[in-house]
Amino acid sequence: TQLLEQSPQFLSIQEGENLTVYCNSSSVFSSLQWYRQEPGEGPVLLVTVVTGGEVKKLKRLTFQFGDARKDSSLHITAAQPGDTGLYLCAGGGTSGTYKYIFGTGTRLKVLA
Amino acid sequence: DAGVTQSPTHLIKTRGQHVTLRCSPISGHKSVSWYQQVLGQGPQFIFQYYEKEERGRGNFPDRFSARQFPNYSSELNVNALLLGDSALYLCASSSQGLDRPSYNEQFFGPGTRLTVL
Repeated sequence: TQLLEQSPQFLSIQEGENLTVYCNSSSVFSSLQWYRQEPGEGPVLLVTVVTGGEVKKLKRLTFQFGDARKDSSLHITAAQPGDTGLYLCAGGGTSGTYKYIFGTGTRLKVLA
Repeated sequence: DAGVTQSPTHLIKTRGQHVTLRCSPISGHKSVSWYQQVLGQGPQFIFQYYEKEERGRGNFPDRFSARQFPNYSSELNVNALLLGDSALYLCASSSQGLDRPSYNEQFFGPGTRLTVL
């Protein structure tokens, strides 16, 4: 069974602090996506990484795909209250499958 | 352009009943996937359809079924509802089948919140 474990599960920080969320698996994925989900809404895609070792930046968010394409991290610099939400990683493209495997989620709360 | 739309927004059913959820993908997208998200967890893959054919199925019982129509919209059907089926059901559309994820991204609808009493 393919699993994506995210850590930490919950995170509460003050505005202006930095944080890193991790997404780990024993499986290799051909791509990995990060989403943010607000309560009562569907996940919104933040980024897709496809190459081992790839780093992508989206304003204050930095995403990295592990060299072996089994893990990923999301780093937020100078967090703001608007960053509050559920962060989900999703791995896709393992051989012979058409589905995306979602991580367990990291619930982030940024306090003003 | 409109994003992914789902209906209804909320639904309350009792055990043993049947439910049909609907999804319209982004215009031009041919692939629709369905996910179940139980409170506090990440979405779990149920089905993927591409060009009206089932391309993938998750570990869900046969009570769950789906189909895709010629206009690429989709329905998810759940029979003999159980309390454990209470969840947010998400639909995602993409321009291609998910076997080429490098070139292809999923866009989610707002979901249908199903409560089974």
